[in-house]
Amino acid sequence: AQSVSQHNHHVILSEAASLELGCNYSYGGTVNLFWYVQYPGQHLQLLLKYFSGDPLVKGIKGFEAEFIKSKFSFNLRKPSVQWSDTAEYFCAVNGNNRLAFGKGNQVVVIP
Amino acid sequence: DAGVIQSPRHEVTEMGQEVTLRCKPISGHDYLFWYRQTMMRGLELLIYFNNNVPIDDSGMPEDRFSAKMPNASFSTLKIQPSEPRDSAVYFCASTTETTKRNGYTFGSGTRLTVV
Repeated sequence: AQSVSQHNHHVILSEAASLELGCNYSYGGTVNLFWYVQYPGQHLQLLLKYFSGDPLVKGIKGFEAEFIKSKFSFNLRKPSVQWSDTAEYFCAVNGNNRLAFGKGNQVVVIP
Repeated sequence: DAGVIQSPRHEVTEMGQEVTLRCKPISGHDYLFWYRQTMMRGLELLIYFNNNVPIDDSGMPEDRFSAKMPNASFSTLKIQPSEPRDSAVYFCASTTETTKRNGYTFGSGTRLTVV
């Protein structure tokens, strides 16, 4: 079964700072990788996805992620965060017809 | 499309009571998933259906939990009897065979509190 690891569960940073969230997965088959965002009190929304092609994928709201197959990683980045990026971010891997999620990163952006 | 619709949004119940959570997937989606979210365990897959048939229920915590999908547009997750440790947010999600690599669409969730 697939699994996902996310580190640094709580991240606090100031507006305009750069953000990078790490994600490592384990799965033996072809993977589809995702980052979801959950704003306070809301449901999960898709930020970006990777299933083939260019390993650098761009998503909504200025986020991007890089798939590095040799490292089993799919790290999320944003060069300059805003207060509205305060949310919880989940990395997920799709395999065997199910999405497995990491524990999430709680990101707080201070104005 | 209205998206994945869950009801109720919030449920507060007393320990020992039966709780039923409901989900309407996006029309045409043939995969439906039930997830539970807690602070301690994050997002856990409880069960998923394909074409209304339960495929994998290995994530269902114990016999107190049951899920059904009587037709393509409706699913329920039932807890009987409920316990305080069942307090969590329960999400339903749906997708299709051709769109699942684009991710799943999640409902707004049901926040369950068992007192």
